[in-house]
Amino acid sequence: DQQVKQNSPSLSVQEGRISILNCDYTNSMFDYFLWYKKYPAEGPTFLISISSIKDKNEDGRFTVFLNKSAKHLSLHIVPSQPGDSAVYFCAAFYNNNDMRFGAGTRLTVKP
Amino acid sequence: DTGVSQDPRHKITKRGQNVTFRCDPISEHNRLYWYRQTLGQGPEFLTYFQNEAQLEKSRLLSDRFSAERPKGSFSTLEIQRTEQGDSAMYLCASSSGGPGTGSNQPQHFGDGTRLSIL
Repeated sequence: DQQVKQNSPSLSVQEGRISILNCDYTNSMFDYFLWYKKYPAEGPTFLISISSIKDKNEDGRFTVFLNKSAKHLSLHIVPSQPGDSAVYFCAAFYNNNDMRFGAGTRLTVKP
Repeated sequence: DTGVSQDPRHKITKRGQNVTFRCDPISEHNRLYWYRQTLGQGPEFLTYFQNEAQLEKSRLLSDRFSAERPKGSFSTLEIQRTEQGDSAMYLCASSSGGPGTGSNQPQHFGDGTRLSIL
C-alpha cells in the first residue's frame, strides 16, 4: 500500500529560481513528515521535517508546507542551486514508528 | 566520524549463499532501523530495534531474513539462501526517541550495502 506518493518523478529548474516538490499521503495517523535528499551511491540525508501540529517549517533556503486537510506537503527551495540536484524523498511516520517513503523526485537545477 | 556506518558497501554473491551485513548506529541513538531500496523506489521498511529489542518486522522480511542487535549497539542483518529478488540496497538508520520521550526524531541513514545476486 502506497501511503506516501510523489507523483512527479522528475523536476528541472533554472538556477536561482524556486523548486517546488510535492508529496501526498493517505494515512491520517501520520504525525511527522520529513524530506530527505539522496545523492548517487550515498544514503538519504535528512533535510527538514515538520510536525503535524504545524503548517510551515523553514530552514534557510528550505521550507516545508503541510496541508493536513488535503493530506499534502511540499518542499520549497529558494533560490535553487546546482548543488541541490539530487533525488528528494518525502517520508512520514507516526509515534516514532517506521517511516513510509515516496518513490522520490529527481531534481535537476540547471546553471 | 559520528554518522551511521554500514559494512560492507558492496556485496556480490551467488544465488543460494548466505550474506551478513553490519550496521553501527550513531552512538547515542537507541533506535535502529533496516530498510531495503530497489531502483526507482523509496526505501521500504524491514525491521527496527529499540535498544536490543526487535519491536516490529515488515511482511517483506521473510523467514530467510534475520536481524539482531545483541547489545543494543551494532546490528546485523543476515539473508539466508539468497535469491535474485534480494538484489537491492540495504539501508540502516538510527534515531533517538521512542515511546515515553514525547518527541518524534528524524532517522539518520548510513550509505547502505548494495547486494548483487549472480
